[in-house]
Amino acid sequence: DADVTQTPRNRITKTGKRIMLECSQTKGHDRMYWYRQDPGLGLRLIYYSFDVKDINKGEISDGYSVSRQAQAKFSLSLESAIPNQTALYFCATSDFPRWGAAGGEETQYFGPGTRLLVL
Amino acid sequence: QKEVEQNSGPLSVPEGAIASLNCTYSDRVSQSFFWYRQYSGKSPELIMSIYSNGDKEDGRFTAQLNKASQYVSLLIRDSQPSDSATYLCAVSGGYQKVTFGTGTKLQVIP
Repeated sequence: DADVTQTPRNRITKTGKRIMLECSQTKGHDRMYWYRQDPGLGLRLIYYSFDVKDINKGEISDGYSVSRQAQAKFSLSLESAIPNQTALYFCATSDFPRWGAAGGEETQYFGPGTRLLVL
Repeated sequence: QKEVEQNSGPLSVPEGAIASLNCTYSDRVSQSFFWYRQYSGKSPELIMSIYSNGDKEDGRFTAQLNKASQYVSLLIRDSQPSDSATYLCAVSGGYQKVTFGTGTKLQVIP
């Protein structure tokens, strides 16, 4: 089974609808992230959580909200979807801190992505 | 100025050649540097991480870091068609979030 899973994998919705994207991980990591990816814009951070009680806005949090239900679960909600939220959404986890020869090291592990289309 | 900059490409190299991918970053306190490979429609996967100045080799991949010049690169030796993908450079300040570049698309021509 995949270590980081996302549901749904594809979603079509209409403008104004509320939708939730879910992410689960079995890696035991504290840090979790939500990104969106648009052509030519790369990966942009929406929200991140360093533990269950710590949630932070990323660079493009407007129009989105999150919930960290447990260490393993991090959900992203679009309160009222709009067409420019059409994108590929990725959840990621991080194994920080991992102490290596160079000090604090980190690897991010990505889920398979959710392709969202807002009509 | 973007925090992490990459040439979008596409970078085209013949099979068997060396592909050189470059990345510059603006935050001098950055400590951790990563290269992710992303096939079209798939999720990014980590291929190299580097934390100290110099070179780090892993198979056909070599990451190079120059903190004074705020420059990190990825060399792919003996490029294969299966290496054709978008390569994302990412930078972290340690306790802070990771910032990604927009990626360089690599095409390896058989």
